[in-house]
Amino acid sequence: DAKTTQPPSMDCAEGRAANLPCNHSTISGNEYVYWYRQIHSQGPQYIIHGLKNNETNEMASLIITEDRKSSTLILPHATLRDTAVYYCIVRREGYGGSQGNLIFGKGTKLSVKP
Amino acid sequence: GAVVSQHPSRVICKSGTSVKIECRSLDFQATTMFWYRQFPKQSLMLMATSNEGSKATYEQGVEKDKFLINHASLTLSTLTVTSAHPEDSSFYICSAPPGGVMNTQYFGPGTRLTVL
Repeated sequence: DAKTTQPPSMDCAEGRAANLPCNHSTISGNEYVYWYRQIHSQGPQYIIHGLKNNETNEMASLIITEDRKSSTLILPHATLRDTAVYYCIVRREGYGGSQGNLIFGKGTKLSVKP
Repeated sequence: GAVVSQHPSRVICKSGTSVKIECRSLDFQATTMFWYRQFPKQSLMLMATSNEGSKATYEQGVEKDKFLINHASLTLSTLTVTSAHPEDSSFYICSAPPGGVMNTQYFGPGTRLTVL
C-alpha cells in the first residue's frame, strides 16, 4: 500500500500557483519524498524530491514540514500543460531491490483551467 | 533528466500471440530497469525488476512464464507478453535509474497493448 495520502482532485486557475498537499505521517528518517506527474496516456515524469530541506528546481518547489509528516508541491505559475495526475511517493534510498521501488498511490488529479 | 524510450508505443494483437516491448536508456547505462503496468483509471503497479546479467525479480502475482523479461545489455530490457489474452490489455511502462538502483527513476513513454 502507498504510504501517502493525497486529495483525489484539485482545480487551479491558469497563471496562479498550484499547491498540492501530501500527508506521509509514517515516513521514516531515511525515506525521501518524491513527486512525479503523469499526463494522460504518457509515462510518469519526475518532478522533484527531497529529504528534509525545502527544494526548488526549474519545474517546482517542494516544501517539507519540520516533522516531515507532510509536504506540499508548488507549481508557481500553472499552465494548461500542467494538467495531470500528481503522485507523492516516499522511498528509501541506498537500498536495492524492492525496498527502493516506487509504490504509486492514486495521486491528485490537477486540472488547470483557463 | 535522463531519457528512456519504449518501442512500440502502441500495439494491437490477436489473442494467443506474443508481443515484445523494448525499453532503452538512451543517454545512460542501467543495470536495473523496472516494468510497470497500468489498467484504465488505476495507478501504476510494479510487475518486475529487470537485472542485467541475471534473472528478473517478479512481484507477487505476476507470472514469470507469461511475462518474459530479458535484460540483454546495459541499455536494453525487453518484456515479452506470451500467449496474450484480452485481460493483458494494459499500458506497460518501464523505468530506469541512472547510476544505480538507489537513484531517481526515469520513465519511458509507455506502450499501449490491446489484445483482441
